[in-house]
Amino acid sequence: EPEVTQTPSHQVTQMGQEVILRCVPISNHLYFYWYRQILGQKVEFLVSFYNNEISEKSEIFDDQFSVERPDGSNFTLKIRSTKLEDSAMYFCASSEANIQYFGAGTRLSVL
Amino acid sequence: ILNVEQSPQSLHVQEGDSTNFTCSFPSSNFYALHWYRWETAKSPEALFVMTLNGDEKKKGRISATLNTKEGYSYLYIKGSQPEDSATYLCASSTSWGKLQFGAGTQVVVTP
Repeated sequence: EPEVTQTPSHQVTQMGQEVILRCVPISNHLYFYWYRQILGQKVEFLVSFYNNEISEKSEIFDDQFSVERPDGSNFTLKIRSTKLEDSAMYFCASSEANIQYFGAGTRLSVL
Repeated sequence: ILNVEQSPQSLHVQEGDSTNFTCSFPSSNFYALHWYRWETAKSPEALFVMTLNGDEKKKGRISATLNTKEGYSYLYIKGSQPEDSATYLCASSTSWGKLQFGAGTQVVVTP
């Protein structure tokens, strides 16, 4: 069964460093998303992406964040200069219609 | 209601018993209600997407109902089994795209 895959499963970085979280969405999907869950909090929406551009973003998604679909298969989230409060589980999702299919997440730990 | 709220936060169920729990969501600008089943270290698994008032969906022993006028959905598990142990997340959307999640109901089924 097709699935969304995310790499790495755990990323440790120093504050101020750039990180890139990678996702391979389901191949025929056209809509892509990033969410995150800070420990003990709800899963929260970051950004949606369609037709090679951002379709919606939350107030969390500031200038430190960017998304890219560099080729036909990958979808990446870049955090330019990580802060301690960026530590969270980051989920990628893709959809072709109403149902969003999620990856297993990347745990980002900022030290 | 401005946020998606789920109750209870957790529940323990004896194997074979049936159980249910609630998701409350903003009824204004409602588009769809999503239920996910999430086991630790795995991808959240889509269970149902419901859009119409009075909708009922069923998947095996799990079913869900939707009341869009009052802004709530119930998820039912009939004859709980240990493999039903997971966190059940609901999320509402006002259009295709951005999901607003509740905090989840953690279900533990004991043999």
